[in-house]
Amino acid sequence: EVQLLESGGGLVQPGGSLRLSCAASGFTFSSYAMSWVRQAPGKGLEWVSAISGSGASTYYGDSVKGRFTISRDNSKNTLYLQMNSLRAEDTAIYYCANGLMPIVTTKFDYWGQGTLVTVSS
Amino acid sequence: QSALTQPASVSGSPGQSITISCTGTSSDVGGYNYVSWYQQHPGKAPKLMIYDVSNRPSGVSNRFSGSKSGNTASLTISGLQAEDDADYYCCSYTTSSTLVFGGGTKLTVL
Repeated sequence: EVQLLESGGGLVQPGGSLRLSCAASGFTFSSYAMSWVRQAPGKGLEWVSAISGSGASTYYGDSVKGRFTISRDNSKNTLYLQMNSLRAEDTAIYYCANGLMPIVTTKFDYWGQGTLVTVSS
Repeated sequence: QSALTQPASVSGSPGQSITISCTGTSSDVGGYNYVSWYQQHPGKAPKLMIYDVSNRPSGVSNRFSGSKSGNTASLTISGLQAEDDADYYCCSYTTSSTLVFGGGTKLTVL
């Protein structure tokens, strides 16, 4: 059974940093691309970033480019999102998502439960 | 990358059919057959309903169907049921090798 479990969310001041983790199980983690998707309170879904199975290729949405870094440790079956220079508008539930596809795709069959990031002073 | 355009809300009575549109550009919806649709109930993670424009994942009711014409993709739900009351989002691949979601549509089953 595929499981994705996010952690690392919390309250951080504007300008601060936070690292999210997503522990994956139930599939061959290194074979598939992974994504982060976020949802601000009461708002819609926003794709944040994606990474190839090997970690060699990374992709970012315009709103986080230059501030967030996606990475993965295939030996630990874990996906990360390093978030720097955080802003109030980054406040959201952050989901990791996967479609068991080797390439970046819109097909997300599996989602974690999400972790809440609140940026506030 | 601008969000894809969806109607804010649609409604229908049980048993009826509704269609939700998702309008983009030739750089996203119109340029690729990589459009997915997600259903989200309050407090829950999104659920994949349609992928690659018109394909249904295993376990999704055949009351859900997808299509595309030009820069607009559509999700049709036939035989509306109370449990279809939820938010729906489209998602498309783009020329920048990134993804973009629509703003979301609230479906109310009357």
